[in-house]
Amino acid sequence: AQSVAQPEDQVNVAEGNPLTVKCTYSVSGNPYLFWYVQYPNRGLQFLLKYITGDNLVKGSYGFEAEFNKSQTSFHLKKPSALVSDSALYFCAVSHDSNYQLIWGAGTKLIIKP
Amino acid sequence: GAGVSQSPRYKVAKRGQDVALRCDPISGHVSLFWYQQALGQGPEFLTYFQNEAQLDKSGLPSDRFFAERPEGSVSTLKIQRTQQEDSAVYLCASSLHRGPTDTQYFGPGTRLTVL
Repeated sequence: AQSVAQPEDQVNVAEGNPLTVKCTYSVSGNPYLFWYVQYPNRGLQFLLKYITGDNLVKGSYGFEAEFNKSQTSFHLKKPSALVSDSALYFCAVSHDSNYQLIWGAGTKLIIKP
Repeated sequence: GAGVSQSPRYKVAKRGQDVALRCDPISGHVSLFWYQQALGQGPEFLTYFQNEAQLDKSGLPSDRFFAERPEGSVSTLKIQRTQQEDSAVYLCASSLHRGPTDTQYFGPGTRLTVL
């Protein structure tokens, strides 16, 4: 069965420090990996995706993510956190046999001034 | 340009009532998805359209749930005889092409509360 795990319910980071939000996945075949951010009372906003090629993917708002096939991971990173980055972050995966996105449970990111 | 829009944004229904949730995808987008998001959880897939064809409805939780996209643009998710467990945020997403690598763009969701 396909699945996505986000092992941390919440991540706390001081403003200006680097941040990492973890994601691991399990799919058969080639995975296509996505990160979305959700602000309160707003829809999911696309940040970045990995399809193929370079394992380091750069996205919106200074975020990046690294695809690691051997560890089946796709962690989201940012070199210097902003208070405005505080939100709920979701990792999702699709694959060749299925167009739907399979989602993790989400990680609440709190950036403290 | 305009993004995905959904209406109503909030809906309160009494148990047993029928509800209809509307999704206006981004113009020209071929694929349309419906997801259900319970409080504190990630979205769960309900159904997928490619133009007007409903290609996957494996995620619909019961035969009380029905979705349509008759002209390949606007879609409606209908829930008959609502139950308390139907309370959730219903998200609609569209993507330009067909395929698992295409980015899905989401609407703001409809929060359904069944009393």
